[in-house]
Amino acid sequence: ETGVTQTPRHLVMGMTNKKSLKCEQHLGHNAMYWYKQSAKKPLELMFVYNFKEQTENNSVPSRFSPECPNSSHLFLHLHTLQPEDSALYLCASSQGSEETQYFGPGTRLLVL
Amino acid sequence: AQSVAQPEDQVNVAEGNPLTVKCTYSVSGNPYLFWYVQYPNRGLQFLLKYITGDNLVKGSYGFEAEFNKSQTSFHLKKPSALVSDSALYFCAVRAGGFKTIFGAGTRLFVKA
Repeated sequence: ETGVTQTPRHLVMGMTNKKSLKCEQHLGHNAMYWYKQSAKKPLELMFVYNFKEQTENNSVPSRFSPECPNSSHLFLHLHTLQPEDSALYLCASSQGSEETQYFGPGTRLLVL
Repeated sequence: AQSVAQPEDQVNVAEGNPLTVKCTYSVSGNPYLFWYVQYPNRGLQFLLKYITGDNLVKGSYGFEAEFNKSQTSFHLKKPSALVSDSALYFCAVRAGGFKTIFGAGTRLFVKA
């Protein structure tokens, strides 16, 4: 285990549903990340939070809404998603901008 | 533009033989380079990183990588492959701030 947990591990949702992904890190890190991993594509950075402040928003559609209530927890709120949003969503944390990132196991999302 | 290229989608090697997974990068300034591995249904796991110093970096599970500034490469190597090394390998470079650019990944298949 890397010290980063994600729930749920699998999620199936319709395009009109609202759901949330949760990430928690037990490493004392100050930065947390959301990535999207699609088949045969590089990992796409979505959002970065450092000390609860958003530092990166990589032109992500507004149907994805992040929330970082504290340095240990990160959420990704989902609403009115599209089938092309189906992917593995990975959360990661690091101690600083130049340090190694530690990844959670991911949430496999299927949008019908 | 900053980028990472992994020219091979898949690398096949026999168990006991040396393996190389290639990575080239383009980044302004001094590169911070990483290798991660992903096993099925898991998140990415850190293998090794280069920030400064010796061009040959040693990491987990017997892997090492050689930083070559003139060729802008950071190839991953292992002297003797194991079947259990079969996985998806990602090269990554820090691109300023908290942004990391990942390659598309190379699937390593080690045959017994």
